[in-house]
Amino acid sequence: GENVEQHPSTLSVQEGDSAVIKCTYSDSASNYFPWYKQELGKRPQLIIDIRSNVGEKKDQRIAVTLNKTAKHFSLHITETQPEDSAVYFCAATRAAGNKLTFGGGTRVLVKP
Amino acid sequence: GAVVSQHPSWVICKSGTSVKIECRSLDFQATTMFWYRQFPKQSLMLMATSNEGSKATYEQGVEKDKFLINHASLTLSTLTVTSAHPEDSSFYICSALGGGQGFRTDTQYFGPGTRLTVL
Repeated sequence: GENVEQHPSTLSVQEGDSAVIKCTYSDSASNYFPWYKQELGKRPQLIIDIRSNVGEKKDQRIAVTLNKTAKHFSLHITETQPEDSAVYFCAATRAAGNKLTFGGGTRVLVKP
Repeated sequence: GAVVSQHPSWVICKSGTSVKIECRSLDFQATTMFWYRQFPKQSLMLMATSNEGSKATYEQGVEKDKFLINHASLTLSTLTVTSAHPEDSSFYICSALGGGQGFRTDTQYFGPGTRLTVL
């Protein structure tokens, strides 16, 4: 089955700096990669996703890049703000709508 | 839009009792729902995939007789933890695949979770 590894497990950045989270996956057939943000005690919320036919996708301060050859994808948050503090999870699956395999999560702390 | 609710939000029970958790899609129909458990400061681990009108598909290592899943309607799936023990204490989260009506059919929308504590 699929295995997703996520690094780092914790990330502390100064407000205004960028944050980068990296994930690797094992199943070369995976082609849909969503990212979820989970605030303490709340539900995970989809913030951005990417499919394998695209190398990069951007939505305001958030961007995701995908390298299918190397089987890794990354989340980039620019101009971080305190409200970006949360746990971020990457995930992978062979087809959007199928079951997801999640990474271990990254706890991001944005210091004012 | 795409609201998924869970009930109860938290529950405390005695060891050996059974607990039922409900997952509802409030503004869309969901033929497929997923059940996860999440231990403190850990990731979401898929327990089972629930399809309306058919038996759930359990992940390896998940006891189907202990975690009973029923998806009797397009808006409701239930998870029953039978003969609960302290090691079953966890955060249980469901998700539902968007069912059209303007919501993405390829996206999992998550419920707020249910915190189960077994004494």
